Amino acid sequence: NAGVTQTPKFRILKIGQSMTLQCAQDMNHNYMYWYRQDPGMGLKLIYYSVGAGITDKGEVPNGYNVSRSTTEDFPLRLELAAPSQTSVYFCASSSPGGVNTEAFFGQGTRLTVV
Amino acid sequence: AQSVTQLDSQVPVFEEAPVELRCNYSSSVSVYLFWYVQYPNQGLQLLLKYLSGSTLVKGINGFEAEFNKSQTSFHLRKPSVHISDTAEYFCAVSEAGTASKLTFGTGTRLQVTL
Repeated sequence: NAGVTQTPKFRILKIGQSMTLQCAQDMNHNYMYWYRQDPGMGLKLIYYSVGAGITDKGEVPNGYNVSRSTTEDFPLRLELAAPSQTSVYFCASSSPGGVNTEAFFGQGTRLTVV
Repeated sequence: AQSVTQLDSQVPVFEEAPVELRCNYSSSVSVYLFWYVQYPNQGLQLLLKYLSGSTLVKGINGFEAEFNKSQTSFHLRKPSVHISDTAEYFCAVSEAGTASKLTFGTGTRLQVTL
């Protein structure tokens, strides 16, 4: 059982370039999330989705876009990379409420914008 | 909206000593509470969670936490730590009844030495 898979693990971008961070889960979870982690700041929510075709902004959405065409996949798009987007990005998924409520995280993508 | 405060950014402790990592939260609605652990260059792994019922919850690796509603706290404890417990620990909160988005604290670095 792979859980949540993120690709790539590492990436260096130049200012102004674009890229897509991939995230896939095989647990049939409805809910998926993108977080960014900066030193000393904890994790901040960028975007989330409660099901295919439904996405919404989190706390820090500026400079990012998402789509959710399938239950399994939730890619995060950076259109014009900026140094402020240097961070570690985590994708997570969870199932709706109840005793099994728990978010499962991927291994992260370390992005550097130079 | 919810917020989480982890007052201690770093906690140094000797092996086999007890440890407590503090977490306080703020919310206008009922919440679920979580502790996650992050080992170097890894994703986040769930240690334990409080959804309802007994206020003392036990998790993996010998950790436990107690939910105190009057003090809005969810402190993490372990009676005897091991070198392998060295990691970053995150307290998180979500709105109860849903698998909604997590709000994280800024993390506590637990450093266990001989």
